[in-house]
Amino acid sequence: DAMVIQNPRYQVTQFGKPVTLSCSQTLNHNVMYWYQQKSSQAPKLLFHYYDKDFNNEADTPDNFQSRRPNTSFCFLDIRSPGLGDAAMYLCATSRGTNTEAFFGQGTRLTVV
Amino acid sequence: RKEVEQDPGPFNVPEGATVAFNCTYSNSASQSFFWYRQDCRKEPKLLMSVYSSGNEDGRFTAQLNRTSQYISLLIRDSKLSDSATYLCVVGSSNTGKLIFGQGTTLQVKP
Repeated sequence: DAMVIQNPRYQVTQFGKPVTLSCSQTLNHNVMYWYQQKSSQAPKLLFHYYDKDFNNEADTPDNFQSRRPNTSFCFLDIRSPGLGDAAMYLCATSRGTNTEAFFGQGTRLTVV
Repeated sequence: RKEVEQDPGPFNVPEGATVAFNCTYSNSASQSFFWYRQDCRKEPKLLMSVYSSGNEDGRFTAQLNRTSQYISLLIRDSKLSDSATYLCVVGSSNTGKLIFGQGTTLQVKP
């Protein structure tokens, strides 16, 4: 059974139209991460949470926001998607900050 | 300088070959190290953790050199199914982050 679930798997949105990606986990892990991965590039960390403690990467655009209403769920909001935001968005969880991360299958975002 | 660096390759090797990848990291406070495998258009999956004493899992051997700040992955007797991108991941408790290298692409050919 999938332990980190991302919805939807594929998302098409219009330029400038807000979009929300979701992630849920059944592992009860403390840490949740959002990564952006473009073709042939490394996953780039956008944010991470340790419990409710939110950590934003310095170079994450203001256009990207995140919410974690409880341990199990985390959301990525893109307020005004641009063409350059088309990518695979990966959610991951880990028990602690030094332990391995488990990934969801990702959401592939297309901006038209 | 990138926090985690890898040679992107591609490494093209014949079946049965032994191939090695290296990865360097810049944060000397890093405490956890992993190799992940990523297939095309799929999510990364943990291949193995890397321990200070080195560790082996079947055909795969990982080593850590804290002095020189690099980790390595050795694959023996390569199989066609080993073709993938191998991502080096480094974590540190002072930042609470897991940082990925760019990945090294391996193509194993018949």
